[in-house]
Amino acid sequence: AQRVTQPEKLLSVFKGAPVELKCNYSYSGSPELFWYVQYSRQRLQLLLRHISRESIKGFTADLNKGETSFHLKKPFAQEEDSAMYYCALSPPSGYSTLTFGKGTMLLVSP
Amino acid sequence: DTGVSQNPRHKITKRGQNVTFRCDPISEHNRLYWYRQTLGQGPEFLTYFQNEAQLEKSRLLSDRFSAERPKGSFSTLEIQRTEQGDSAMYLCASSLTRDRPGDTQYFGPGTRLTVL
Repeated sequence: AQRVTQPEKLLSVFKGAPVELKCNYSYSGSPELFWYVQYSRQRLQLLLRHISRESIKGFTADLNKGETSFHLKKPFAQEEDSAMYYCALSPPSGYSTLTFGKGTMLLVSP
Repeated sequence: DTGVSQNPRHKITKRGQNVTFRCDPISEHNRLYWYRQTLGQGPEFLTYFQNEAQLEKSRLLSDRFSAERPKGSFSTLEIQRTEQGDSAMYLCASSLTRDRPGDTQYFGPGTRLTVL
């Protein structure tokens, strides 16, 4: 069965500190991996996906197939990064649905 | 286009009543998804459509739940004989699938259901 685990419910850092949001997955194969973000009073939206190998708002995520991880990182956190972050996977065909983790709330204090 | 819209935004009902939610996807999107999110959890997949065809249903979707997308545009999700355990945020998402991995799903604001 496919599963996404985000071990931290809450991560609290100071502005300018590095951030790493952890995500581990369980899937028999090579899934597609995503990070979604939900800012206060806004809808869930895609932050980045591993196939694009992109950096969005200073965030990057590296897929480690050996450790089955897809951690989200940012070298210097900003207050506007405070939000709920969800890691998600979908089957490699891209046809199907997303399996989400429970999410990590990131709080960046001034 | 203002994105995916959902109506109503909030619904309070009594146990045993039927409720229906509507989702309007982004106009050219051929795929439409329904998810459910309870407190402290991430969204959980319920079902999805490609055009008007319902292609997959989760085991979470009991026989009290039914979804339709009659003309491949908007979709409705109906819950019959609601139970308190149905209280959740119901999310709709849509995507334009080009038969390649990683297509982006765009989410609506959700309908929050409270069953008393």
